[in-house]
Amino acid sequence: DAGVIQSPRHEVTEMGQEVTLRCKPISGHDYLFWYRQTMMRGLELLIYFNNNVPIDDSGMPEDRFSAKMPNASFSTLKIQPSEPRDSAVYFCASSSRDLNTGELFFGEGSRLTVL
Amino acid sequence: AQRVTQPEKLLSVFKGAPVELKCNYSYSGSPELFWYVQYSRQRLQLLLRHISRESIKGFTADLNKGETSFHLKKPFAQEEDSAMYYCALKGPLYSGAGSYQLTFGKGTKLSVIP
Repeated sequence: DAGVIQSPRHEVTEMGQEVTLRCKPISGHDYLFWYRQTMMRGLELLIYFNNNVPIDDSGMPEDRFSAKMPNASFSTLKIQPSEPRDSAVYFCASSSRDLNTGELFFGEGSRLTVL
Repeated sequence: AQRVTQPEKLLSVFKGAPVELKCNYSYSGSPELFWYVQYSRQRLQLLLRHISRESIKGFTADLNKGETSFHLKKPFAQEEDSAMYYCALKGPLYSGAGSYQLTFGKGTKLSVIP
């Protein structure tokens, strides 16, 4: 298994543009998480899916952020319009059985730079 | 509310010196704590969990409920230990929820000087 796969690895865009980040979780994992990593705030949970259904999106910073999971093998995180303060590394992670072991499997992250 | 505090953003130690990465938590229930590590150009991955009481790569961490701490320790640091370390707490998504989340600290960057 290749693990959690994220794309793109790097994205540089201009303020106001739409950004779409993609994630393929590990097959068989029922839970998918989107995190944002910054120097100031560390790792923040943005949204959390169980069986493709969003469970909690209280961490999504603003209405400019949206996330979908149309099927068990694909999720997107969209920012529209993007702003410089959105610059961060965005991680997708998946797990099985509701964090029963406390182990999340992370992707390599998508580094977003908004100019 | 559950909270994880890692007071040091950066910790530099010499090779062979002891290492202690601090982690304190705030949680009203029975805590489950973990350490995650991110080596350069690698994925964030689980290092150890307190329930297992294991030693991984020479690292250990003891849960101290009285001090609400879960410090990560290693007696002799190696250059390959240089990485970003995150302490994490497993707790319910919200009070009474049947679903869980991991709350991470802000991380400590460990630099081992040759």
